[in-house]
Amino acid sequence: AQSVTQLDSQVPVFEEAPVELRCNYSSSVSVYLFWYVQYPNQGLQLLLKYLSGSTLVKGINGFEAEFNKSQTSFHLRKPSVHISDTAEYFCAVSDLGQGGKLIFGQGTELSVKP
Amino acid sequence: GAGVSQTPSNKVTEKGKYVELRCDPISGHTALYWYRQSLGQGPEFLIYFQGTGAADDSGLPNDRFFAVRPEGSVSTLKIQRTERGDSAVYLCASSQSRGNTDTQYFGPGTRLTVL
Repeated sequence: AQSVTQLDSQVPVFEEAPVELRCNYSSSVSVYLFWYVQYPNQGLQLLLKYLSGSTLVKGINGFEAEFNKSQTSFHLRKPSVHISDTAEYFCAVSDLGQGGKLIFGQGTELSVKP
Repeated sequence: GAGVSQTPSNKVTEKGKYVELRCDPISGHTALYWYRQSLGQGPEFLIYFQGTGAADDSGLPNDRFFAVRPEGSVSTLKIQRTERGDSAVYLCASSQSRGNTDTQYFGPGTRLTVL
């Protein structure tokens, strides 16, 4: 069965520093990859998704992620974070042929400090 | 336009009781998903509807859980004989069609507490 591992449960960073949130998934023939963000007391919101084509995907709020098939990874990056980026981030995968069912990782809590 | 809405936002019940959780998807979205998010965990898939029919209910934990979508719009998740382990946030999402590539839009969730 497909699974997703987010390697860091908490990531504290200072404002304006770069950040990388790591995500690995179990191998499959064809997968689609997603990053969602959950701000405090709000619903999940899509940041970006990889479907095909260029392995570097750009999303909202200055985030980007790189699909690496050989390492089965989809790490999320931002070159300079803001206080407002403080939130929970979830990596998710969907298998081709599985409808739209999303398999989520455990989440990474990003805490941006002034 | 309106997003996905879920009611109630909070539900407290006693062990053994029956509960219903409602989801109103975005108008025109044919696919609807239910997930459950326990404290400190990522959302866990429960069931997926395409139109009125359940296309995949493989995530329902046992036969105490049931969901319907009789007119292809609003969906209700029903839990019988609730247990303390059912306490979680229940999330609903909808998308335009059944494809993997479509973005799922999530509601704010219903926080269920079973005492």
